[in-house]
Amino acid sequence: DAMVIQNPRYQVTQFGKPVTLSCSQTLNHNVMYWYQQKSSQAPKLLFHYYDKDFNNEADTPDNFQSRRPNTSFCFLDIRSPGLGDAAMYLCATSTGQGGETQYFGPGTRLLVL
Amino acid sequence: AQSVTQLGSHVSVSEGALVLLRCNYSSSVPPYLFWYVQYPNQGLQLLLKYTTGATLVKGINGFEAEFKKSETSFHLTKPSAHMSDAAEYFCAVSEGGYNKLIFGAGTRLAVHP
Repeated sequence: DAMVIQNPRYQVTQFGKPVTLSCSQTLNHNVMYWYQQKSSQAPKLLFHYYDKDFNNEADTPDNFQSRRPNTSFCFLDIRSPGLGDAAMYLCATSTGQGGETQYFGPGTRLLVL
Repeated sequence: AQSVTQLGSHVSVSEGALVLLRCNYSSSVPPYLFWYVQYPNQGLQLLLKYTTGATLVKGINGFEAEFKKSETSFHLTKPSAHMSDAAEYFCAVSEGGYNKLIFGAGTRLAVHP
């Protein structure tokens, strides 16, 4: 049973055209995270929500925004995608307590033309 | 700040041979440590984790890891490699509030007949 769902699995957009990636969870976890993973690299945390509290990483570009309308859903908005934003975007959830497992979705691979 | 170092970006073993993937961490507090596996074009799946208690941790798919505080290590092992073990492996440490993960650079494991 899928616990963290990401749609779409593959997304193609044009340079500068806004794009939204979606994540939903059935675990009822307080925390949702968005990671960017470029080819052959480790996932890099962009930001996370604890309930409705948004926490941005210091080096996340302003081009990346996020929304969490309710516990189950979280969106990643890229306002003006550049070629360098082509990557796998991973959503994860956890209770937020230290040592608890983060559960990852299958990812959305973004291609920017 | 905490950090994770994975020695060897690529490891190649024969089917049936011992798998050893190395991970060293730096942390000023007792760490929570994780190993995740990633298959091509998929999200990350937890293999095992260390929080407290027994330092030898057993995970899924026959993998285990031993937390050695004196060596600041958390190496991943499997006695006998299978072709299906070919994947990318990430070691991670949990940092601060909200259970944020700091990942190592990853080790790509190849298994040949």
